[in-house]
Amino acid sequence: DAGVIQSPRHEVTEMGQEVTLRCKPISGHDYLFWYRQTMMRGLELLIYFNNNVPIDDSGMPEDRFSAKMPNASFSTLKIQPSEPRDSAVYFCASSFLGLAYNEQFFGPGTRLTVL
Amino acid sequence: AQTVTQSQPEMSVQEAETVTLSCTYDTSESDYYLFWYKQPPSRQMILVIRQEAYKQQNATENRFSVNFQKAAKSFSLKISDSQLGDAAMYFCAYTGLNNAGNMLTFGGGTRLMVKP
Repeated sequence: DAGVIQSPRHEVTEMGQEVTLRCKPISGHDYLFWYRQTMMRGLELLIYFNNNVPIDDSGMPEDRFSAKMPNASFSTLKIQPSEPRDSAVYFCASSFLGLAYNEQFFGPGTRLTVL
Repeated sequence: AQTVTQSQPEMSVQEAETVTLSCTYDTSESDYYLFWYKQPPSRQMILVIRQEAYKQQNATENRFSVNFQKAAKSFSLKISDSQLGDAAMYFCAYTGLNNAGNMLTFGGGTRLMVKP
């Protein structure tokens, strides 16, 4: 298995532009998580899905952020419009409830820089 | 809500020596899982070791071991025979068993430097 795949690995954009981050979970996993990592706030959960349905989006910072999971093998995190304070590393992780320790498998992350 | 605290922003160890990274957590749940993740400069989150709260025996993975003190809500990581490749950020994390979403709560991280 290729593991969790994220694209792009790096994204540089200008303030006000729309940014879309993509994630492909491990096949067979029914949970998908989006995390954000910043120096100030560390690693924080933004939203998670179960069977493609958003379950908890209380970590989404504001309405500029949206996430979708149209099918079991693909999810997007969109920021529109982007702001410099959105600069961070965004991780996608997947899991399923039957896994020992409820282990989550992380993708390599997308480093987003908003100028 | 659960919280995870790592009180050491940075630690340094001499190659081949032993170092212990601290982690405390707060929870009202009786059963849960605890993890240590390693994040090297590549940014990849790598699971180092994990512990089930109901197991009294401390987990061990090669040079990595934990000291799990449930009553004290403490979960420290010991790295023996430190190697240059151990230099990284280390994150302690918690997830509850009753949490169907398996959400992870992370500590703030400890940067480990290994001196040759």
